[in-house]
Amino acid sequence: EAGVAQSPRYKIIEKRQSVAFWCNPISGHATLYWYQQILGQGPKLLIQFQNNGVVDDSQLPKDRFSAERLKGVDSTLKIQPAKLEDSAVYLCASSLELTGELFFGEGSRLTVL
Amino acid sequence: DAKTTQPPSMDCAEGRAANLPCNHSTISGNEYVYWYRQIHSQGPQYIIHGLKNNETNEMASLIITEDRKSSTLILPHATLRDTAVYYCIVRVAGNQFYFGTGTSLTVIP
Repeated sequence: EAGVAQSPRYKIIEKRQSVAFWCNPISGHATLYWYQQILGQGPKLLIQFQNNGVVDDSQLPKDRFSAERLKGVDSTLKIQPAKLEDSAVYLCASSLELTGELFFGEGSRLTVL
Repeated sequence: DAKTTQPPSMDCAEGRAANLPCNHSTISGNEYVYWYRQIHSQGPQYIIHGLKNNETNEMASLIITEDRKSSTLILPHATLRDTAVYYCIVRVAGNQFYFGTGTSLTVIP
């Protein structure tokens, strides 16, 4: 069974530039999550989708971050404009149903200079 | 926000049992306790979860106190590959998982 796929694995940009991360969850998994993990900290939940609807985006900085999950499968997380403090690993996870365990991708490491 | 507290770091001798504690004093009756671990530069990996009863699988055992205010993850025979950050998480309504800072476990040869 293929796992959660994320790309790119690494991205370096300058502040005020924009960046987008892509996630393809495990086939059939209805719930998709984006987490931000700053070095030395635990993952922080940014947004949770159930199919193509948002369940929770209370911790998403909506002035610069946006996410979508068209057709309830793939998802894209965008940051525009990026700030230095956005340097982190962005983790995507999916689960089979609302009561299932999370399966994580390898993450996308963002460095903002 | 995370509903759990864990010690920041622990050491364990290779081959011995590693016992990782977690406090979750505000847990509600229908909230599960989950454990994940994260090896450097990888995404978190599921280990085990439980509600009230003790649980065991091929990776670990989970002991939950009767009042459910704390739990312990037991790795019965720690190996060097078990060196990782271990996260104890209370899964809240809506299948939301809020991670704390975890325990960094170092297995010593």
